Amino acid sequence: AQSVTQPDIHITVSEGASLELRCNYSYGATPYLFWYVQSPGQGLQLLLKYFSGDTLVQGIKGFEAEFKRSQSSFNLRKPSVHWSDAAEYFCAVGTDKLIFGTGTRLQVFP
Amino acid sequence: EAQVTQNPRYLITVTGKKLTVTCSQNMNHEYMSWYRQDPGLGLRQIYYSMNVEVTDKGDVPEGYKVSRKEKRNFPLILESPSPNQTSLYFCASSLLASGIRNEQFFGPGTRLTVL
Repeated sequence: AQSVTQPDIHITVSEGASLELRCNYSYGATPYLFWYVQSPGQGLQLLLKYFSGDTLVQGIKGFEAEFKRSQSSFNLRKPSVHWSDAAEYFCAVGTDKLIFGTGTRLQVFP
Repeated sequence: EAQVTQNPRYLITVTGKKLTVTCSQNMNHEYMSWYRQDPGLGLRQIYYSMNVEVTDKGDVPEGYKVSRKEKRNFPLILESPSPNQTSLYFCASSLLASGIRNEQFFGPGTRLTVL
């Protein structure tokens, strides 16, 4: 069965600390991979995407993600978190339609 | 400004009272979609449309209807809402219907409560 797992429901970090949000997937073939961010009261915004090629992809707002085929993972990273990064983050995968993970809520302390 | 708009943003209704949530995009996108977001379940697709007069079921279509008479509009209709349809609903659109490589643009969401 196709699925996306975001094992961390809630993560708290201090401003300036590094961040890694985990995403693992189960899919028949290598899917397209996405990370979306949802700020409070807002719709989802695309942070970055991977289709093929270089397995380290850069996105907006200083985020990056690394695709590891052997681990079926697509973890999101940021070297230094800002208070404005507090939001919910969704990993999504698919080839003909998107399958979303359940989300990770990020809280940032000053 | 390029955007997806949804109305209403908040709605409280009672079981069985028909309602429509409107969705409109001004980007001339071919593809439009409705999702519902529930705690612990992420986003699940309800219906999608690849172009005018072309709609298809997503993963959770039961209890919902859609129509696509114009390219810009994709209303979601609940003929007889029930409490299990209490959720946060998102409309999304993307440029082309040819696959999901195109970025989906999401509306701000409609929070629906069915009593």
